[in-house]
Amino acid sequence: EAQVTQNPRYLITVTGKKLTVTCSQNMNHEYMSWYRQDPGLGLRQIYYSMNVEVTDKGDVPEGYKVSRKEKRNFPLILESPSPNQTSLYFCASSWGQGKSSYEQYFGPGTRLTVT
Amino acid sequence: AQSVTQPDIHITVSEGASLELRCNYSYGATPYLFWYVQSPGQGLQLLLKYFSGDTLVQGIKGFEAEFKRSQSSFNLRKPSVHWSDAAEYFCAVGADGNKLVFGAGTILRVKS
Repeated sequence: EAQVTQNPRYLITVTGKKLTVTCSQNMNHEYMSWYRQDPGLGLRQIYYSMNVEVTDKGDVPEGYKVSRKEKRNFPLILESPSPNQTSLYFCASSWGQGKSSYEQYFGPGTRLTVT
Repeated sequence: AQSVTQPDIHITVSEGASLELRCNYSYGATPYLFWYVQSPGQGLQLLLKYFSGDTLVQGIKGFEAEFKRSQSSFNLRKPSVHWSDAAEYFCAVGADGNKLVFGAGTILRVKS
């Protein structure tokens, strides 16, 4: 089954404790992206990757890191989480070329709480 | 910069009634437009998309949307709502960097 998986689905952590949210897709997609969803704000892009070893900032990258060492994986790293990073996080992937790149498949989400 | 406005935060309709969710976008060129649905505790599922051509597009689950360039709108419609349609709906426009710019969402409640 074609899918985007994220782990963990739920995470409660404390301020400053480094964490990683993993994302993996099995569709051989070039493009991958991370979004955060906050009430009243919709989804906002954090980082994206056009292909292996190619990453770039989205609209709200502060406090986050990413890496793309393999095509299928795109982990989101919070080096020193803060309470304002409490949010629902989505990973998405798509084909990297043309208009198909916008037709993104989303993972199930990771709900992160930072206390 | 591209932006999307969904004017209605909440909408309540009776089961069997028709539905229209509003979406207005800001984009200079011909936009790529999308509607996604998010059921409680679930990820986002693509309902339909518009790239070009026929301005009335059909999607899954009986939904359709109409692109109106003159009004910068891409409203979502369904002729008869089912209780299972209760969810949050997001309109999005394709923007630079292959990203999607989302509206704030509209929560649909269905009353029996």
